[in-house]
Amino acid sequence: NAGVTQTPKFQVLKTGQSMTLQCAQDMNHEYMSWYRQDPGMGLRLIHYSVGAGITDQGEVPNGYNVSRSTTEDFPLRLLSAAPSQTSVYFCASRERGGLYNEQFFGPGTRLTVL
Amino acid sequence: AQKITQTQPGMFVQEKEAVTLDCTYDTSDQSYGLFWYKQPSSGEMIFLIYQGSYDEQNATEGRYSLNFQKARKSANLVISASQLGDSAMYFCAMREFAGGTSYGKLTFGQGTILTVHP
Repeated sequence: NAGVTQTPKFQVLKTGQSMTLQCAQDMNHEYMSWYRQDPGMGLRLIHYSVGAGITDQGEVPNGYNVSRSTTEDFPLRLLSAAPSQTSVYFCASRERGGLYNEQFFGPGTRLTVL
Repeated sequence: AQKITQTQPGMFVQEKEAVTLDCTYDTSDQSYGLFWYKQPSSGEMIFLIYQGSYDEQNATEGRYSLNFQKARKSANLVISASQLGDSAMYFCAMREFAGGTSYGKLTFGQGTILTVHP
């Protein structure tokens, strides 16, 4: 099992450019989420999905879009990048239900917006 | 209001000594779970330990234990016999039951940087 994979690992964008951060998992997990990590603020939830075709907003959704057409993939789209979106982005997945189920994180994507 | 508070931006410990990383939380739910993650300088998030709100005993995983004080809403991580490889950022996180379901949402604290000195 590859677990949760993210591409790219690093990306530099100019203000106004668009891009998609890719996330895939091979554990057949129904729940997937995107977080951003900024210095001094821990990880904050951007969007999450409880299954194919179902997504919802987290704590900081503005400027980001998601869709979930398959169980495996959960891409995060930046429509018009802004310097405030400079951050490290983590994708995570877990099995459905239960408070305990461990959340598995991808390795992260470090994004810089100039 | 902050749901998870880690008041120690940085902690230092001597190798082989024990260290406690503080975490307090705020929730009105009766059912919730508390997690600790380690993030080394390489950046990945490593799950360490979990405590459920109904668990009567403190969770332990090897050198990690969770000092759970429900009435005080605290879930401190205790690392015994610190090693140089324990130097990392540590995050406390909470999952709430969210009205009958438990989605993939974790709320994180700001983190504590632990430095282990030889």
